[in-house]
Amino acid sequence: ETGVTQSPTHLIKTRGQQVTLRCSSQSGHNTVSWYQQALGQGPQFIFQYYREEENGRGNFPPRFSGLQFPNYSSELNVNALELDDSALYLCASSSYRGAKNIQYFGAGTRLSVL
Amino acid sequence: QKEVEQNSGPLSVPEGAIASLNCTYSDRVSQSFFWYRQYSGKSPELIMSIYSNGDKEDGRFTAQLNKASQYVSLLIRDSQPSDSATYLCAVGKAGVTGGGNKLTFGTGTQLKVEL
Repeated sequence: ETGVTQSPTHLIKTRGQQVTLRCSSQSGHNTVSWYQQALGQGPQFIFQYYREEENGRGNFPPRFSGLQFPNYSSELNVNALELDDSALYLCASSSYRGAKNIQYFGAGTRLSVL
Repeated sequence: QKEVEQNSGPLSVPEGAIASLNCTYSDRVSQSFFWYRQYSGKSPELIMSIYSNGDKEDGRFTAQLNKASQYVSLLIRDSQPSDSATYLCAVGKAGVTGGGNKLTFGTGTQLKVEL
């Protein structure tokens, strides 16, 4: 157990809908990163939140957005869902230690877009 | 060229043998290197981290890093059937303004340990 919790575990949506995924970070961690993992691929970095600010973004369109709250929990929002958004969405929490930063993953949310 | 490359496998080894997993990366300014294990349908679990050239051992696992060759490897000694999983190589760069590493993953190598 990493102490990182994600909800919901599974979600089914239809194309064009909007979805919100949630993540509670491990106690003491102030950084949350979100990744998308398509079937048979490695996780891809979506964005990172540090002290409630976006702190880096991968190659994802603006319809992917996020928030971090004062307790360091985080949300990932995806608007105008597309079929290719079907994937496992992973949240990882960490505390800043420069290059020796370790990210611990939650169990993930599996999103299916029909 | 992909930023992080791994042989997708599957790599099959007999129980008790040494499994050798390899990874190359393209960004020379990468600072940190990780191996995660991922069982089917589960999330990645950290196995090893390594930051400087050389070997790092932890139980049956040894990570090796060669920054000049931009190469990182994972050796698993005395392989067990429970080691059968996908092994993800991840390369990290820390932000200069704080926060954590942004990880770039390979596609993973599937390891099968056979009885």
